[in-house]
Order: sequence, then structure tokens, then C-alpha cells
Amino acid sequence: SQQGEEDPQALSIQEGENATMNCSYKTSINNLQWYRQNSGRGLVHLILIRSNEREKHSGRLRVTLDTSKKSSSLLITASRAADTASYFCATDATGYGNKLVFGAGTILRVKS
Amino acid sequence: DAGITQSPRHKVTETGTPVTLRCHQTENHRYMYWYRQDPGHGLRLIHYSYGVKDTDKGEVSDGYSVSRSKTEDFLLTLESATSSQTSVYFCAISDGAEETQYFGPGTRLLVL
Repeated sequence: SQQGEEDPQALSIQEGENATMNCSYKTSINNLQWYRQNSGRGLVHLILIRSNEREKHSGRLRVTLDTSKKSSSLLITASRAADTASYFCATDATGYGNKLVFGAGTILRVKS
Repeated sequence: DAGITQSPRHKVTETGTPVTLRCHQTENHRYMYWYRQDPGHGLRLIHYSYGVKDTDKGEVSDGYSVSRSKTEDFLLTLESATSSQTSVYFCAISDGAEETQYFGPGTRLLVL
């Protein structure tokens, strides 16, 4: 069963624009992570936000977490063609951190 | 890919044959994971290991077994492959619970 569900399923924007992806989940979590996957490659970790945090930044990435709404958003500012990839949220609902549950992902296409 | 290799990278096999996939890490991380990725499902955890000879089931463990006799190697075995096990398999590692997972490049398995 999928814990996280990303929205939208696909997003197409122009280079320089901002991209926002959302993730909703069902149960209480200890942390939520975002990963990127380029076509045909493994996943790359982007950012981890813990349940007691509300916002986190890493370079052009901004992640928010609203535990009351069981949702998170990933904002990529000033997007580049190289940001074209699939983006997944993953939640740790067990408290042991070793059973991440991934959503189905958002496919982002940045047009140059 | 954070010192993680997977072998083979591609495999075609027939229904009913046994298949073993290998994950090798050079990071000395305690936790190792096997996921499968299918369209529309994101990544789903098959099995994970929290130490040598210590393993546990994930969300989709039926039809799969694992073994970890050394810190650096985590094997995934399909005892009798079925067409429903056609997928891309990813290995991941983490240094501890509730921490970032690092993914290998993946193995594409086709069961005919």
C-alpha cells in the first residue's frame, strides 16, 4: 500500500519557473524524505524533514511539512533543464526508519 | 551511487527458474534494502537487513528470500521466478535507522 501520494502525477514547466510538488500521506510519521530519479537511474536523496520540523531548505529546494494535514510540498525554484526527473516522497511511519514507503512519484519536465 | 553496485544489471530468465541478484556496498553501512519499482507503484520494499544474518520482511516479500552473510553483500533470491516479478530491482543502504537511504543503479529483470 502506498503511504505517500504525489500530486500532480506530471508537471511540465519552462526553464526558470518554479515547480511545486505535493505529497499526502495517511499515518503518523517520524520523517518524510524526497528523492529524485533520473531516467534509468537509481534514486538520489534530496532532503529529509523530521516530524517536528515545518520547513527546510537546501539550495534551490524548499520543503514544507504539515503534520496536521498529513502533507508535504517540495518547491524547486528557478528550475533548470537538468531538474527534469521523477520526484518521490517517502515516509517513515514505523519509528525505526527502515521501512520507507514511497509514493508513485511526480514526473517533472523542464523545457529549455 | 555511494559505493553500491548491483549485479547483474540486466537479466532475462524463464518462468520457474531461480534467480539471484546481488548488492554490494563499500560503505560499511549497517542497513541494506531491496525494493522493486513498477509503473504506477513507486518503490516497494521487499526485504531489508539490519545486520549480518538479521533480515526482515517488507511490503511485498512473497516469492522472495534474502541472505546477508557479510556486511557488504545482500542477496535477493527469486526461488521460482514468475512473470509478475518482472520489474526493476533497487538495492539501498543506510547508516542507521531514520536516516537517508542511498540507492544502487538497479537491475532490470525480465521473466518470460
